Amino acid sequence: DTAVSQTPKYLVTQMGNDKSIKCEQNLGHDTMYWYKQDSKKFLKIMFSYNNKELIINETVPNRFSPKSPDKAHLNLHINSLELGDSAVYFCASSQDRGTYEQYFGPGTRLTVT
Amino acid sequence: AQSVAQPEDQVNVAEGNPLTVKCTYSVSGNPYLFWYVQYPNRGLQFLLKYITGDNLVKGSYGFEAEFNKSQTSFHLKKPSALVSDSALYFCAVRAAGNNRKLIWGLGTSLAVNP
Repeated sequence: DTAVSQTPKYLVTQMGNDKSIKCEQNLGHDTMYWYKQDSKKFLKIMFSYNNKELIINETVPNRFSPKSPDKAHLNLHINSLELGDSAVYFCASSQDRGTYEQYFGPGTRLTVT
Repeated sequence: AQSVAQPEDQVNVAEGNPLTVKCTYSVSGNPYLFWYVQYPNRGLQFLLKYITGDNLVKGSYGFEAEFNKSQTSFHLKKPSALVSDSALYFCAVRAAGNNRKLIWGLGTSLAVNP
């Protein structure tokens, strides 16, 4: 009964390729997020969707495009992958009321060679 | 500017001793504060939060945190550390004006030595 799940867990690909990461949450939350964690473990918010509407869009190259088909799913598509995109990408979700604490998926480790 | 500072990159403590992981914040209005833990090769896990009320907040795995408004701090504590507590700890504060955005600290690596 995984609350926030991501696929794939590992992704190894070559520069210039296009790849997608998928996220699903079964918590009934209204808001979902994508984070990037670099090799120094710094956590950076990338995007957030609330009920399929983009509400946070940080300074991220436009090669990154999130898509939310419904409020339980948030996917991340990356075009023309670069070496610097290598990182762990985390999906998270939160309830749309109350204290908004976020619940994280297990992460997708992306390695670009 | 809104920010969270975790002044120590690494904290070392002997098993059985008390531990403290420090966090200070800067945000307008009443802060909503959070602690998360990340074990190696895992996602972040929510530990505890301060919203209002008692300044001492209890959370998962025997952790607690003390909110100090005058010092704008929210230090994470545990009376007796376990080797299994060794992990990366993140402090976060909810951004003013955006309920869904968290401002994150850079993380503190806790090593508990047997």
